[in-house]
Amino acid sequence: ETGVTQTPRHLVMGMTNKKSLKCEQHLGHNAMYWYKQSAKKPLELMFVYNFKEQTENNSVPSRFSPECPNSSHLFLHLHTLQPEDSALYLCASTLTGGNTGELFFGEGSRLTVL
Amino acid sequence: QQQVKQSPQSLIVQKGGISIINCAYENTAFDYFPWYQQFPGKGPALLIAIRPDVSEKKEGRFTISFNKSAKQFSLHIMDSQPGDSATYFCAAYIPGSNYQLIWGAGTKLIIKP
Repeated sequence: ETGVTQTPRHLVMGMTNKKSLKCEQHLGHNAMYWYKQSAKKPLELMFVYNFKEQTENNSVPSRFSPECPNSSHLFLHLHTLQPEDSALYLCASTLTGGNTGELFFGEGSRLTVL
Repeated sequence: QQQVKQSPQSLIVQKGGISIINCAYENTAFDYFPWYQQFPGKGPALLIAIRPDVSEKKEGRFTISFNKSAKQFSLHIMDSQPGDSATYFCAAYIPGSNYQLIWGAGTKLIIKP
């Protein structure tokens, strides 16, 4: 596989469930990101990892818990979510120090919280 | 000051026409302005980008026009095709910000055959 792969593509969960989103990149990038995408709103940056170290947490509620075991894998652990958390969650990666900082996105995980 | 304002929210253009999407910013520290294209069910993908030292960049049918004094930039799609139907996002980058982008809200473009 190449590029950025996200699983699952679709997830429906109740407010008391615990689930995880997974992201994997095969591009040799060192930085990985979680974004939240809601309709008609700018992409919201949630977390940034650079060389496995979390460098940004944009005031994200603690019910979202990221994990980055290595530069190729990124997880978003979900617990006690609210209906307003329903959205498309996008993972992206880039090579810091590169010329353009182009972000490469996965296809996203569509989350529905009942 | 960290916002990028994008307009219009949606746009319908006839096949063969010119599609124009506009973005405005306030922070003069931004030094890289990419446009991303997103098809339904896919993640955004980089389409074209510009730095503020040039006023225009063209790649095929896609052109970015950049007005530094007005703090505005726009995407022009010439000879628009149905395959261009997608959501387009402008963005801006601050150097040293760990490659974080400030995003516009997106424009849903529909090209009618």
